[in-house]
Amino acid sequence: DAGVTQSPTHLIKTRGQQVTLRCSPISGHKSVSWYQQVLGQGPQFIFQYYEKEERGRGNFPDRFSARQFPNYSSELNVNALLLGDSALYLCASSPWQGTSGNTIYFGEGSWLTVV
Amino acid sequence: DAKTTQPTSMDCAEGRAANLPCNHSTISGNEYVYWYRQIHSQGPQYIIHGLKNNETNEMASLIITEDRKSSTLILPHATLRDTAVYYCILPPSSNTGKLIFGQGTTLQVKP
Repeated sequence: DAGVTQSPTHLIKTRGQQVTLRCSPISGHKSVSWYQQVLGQGPQFIFQYYEKEERGRGNFPDRFSARQFPNYSSELNVNALLLGDSALYLCASSPWQGTSGNTIYFGEGSWLTVV
Repeated sequence: DAKTTQPTSMDCAEGRAANLPCNHSTISGNEYVYWYRQIHSQGPQYIIHGLKNNETNEMASLIITEDRKSSTLILPHATLRDTAVYYCILPPSSNTGKLIFGQGTTLQVKP
């Protein structure tokens, strides 16, 4: 069975550019969350989407946006890139929204370098 | 948000059991304890989660104290590939899928 898949795996962007990262959840999972992991720190929650609606948002600027499609895949968009946006972006999928006994699986992430 | 406290680092000899402790004294009655690990440059890997009872799967065992204020993750026969950062997590809300990662415990398995 395919796990959580993310693309691209690595990319380099210039300051001020925009980037779109993609995530396909595990088959049957309806919830997708996005995390940012800066080198040396633990992952930080950015968004959660469930049934195509935003269900949670972390402390990130409006330059970060996301959406979920009818097939439950998701995209994370970051506009006006800053050097500090360089990080590993992780997608997590789970069958439902909450964490009461829910099993949440992560993809391998997309490495973004902003130069 | 409920907080967890883990040792910064631990060593374990290959083939021995690795016991990773976690304190979560402010845990509420319906909060699950989740464990993940992260090997360098990879995405976090789900290990196990539990509420009250001890849990076991093919990767590890989770022992939760009766008062639920602490737990221990046990890797029964550690291998070099178990070297990773291990995170003990209490989700802040059961209504969202948000996980808050702390600094975790860096486990070094040595030959």
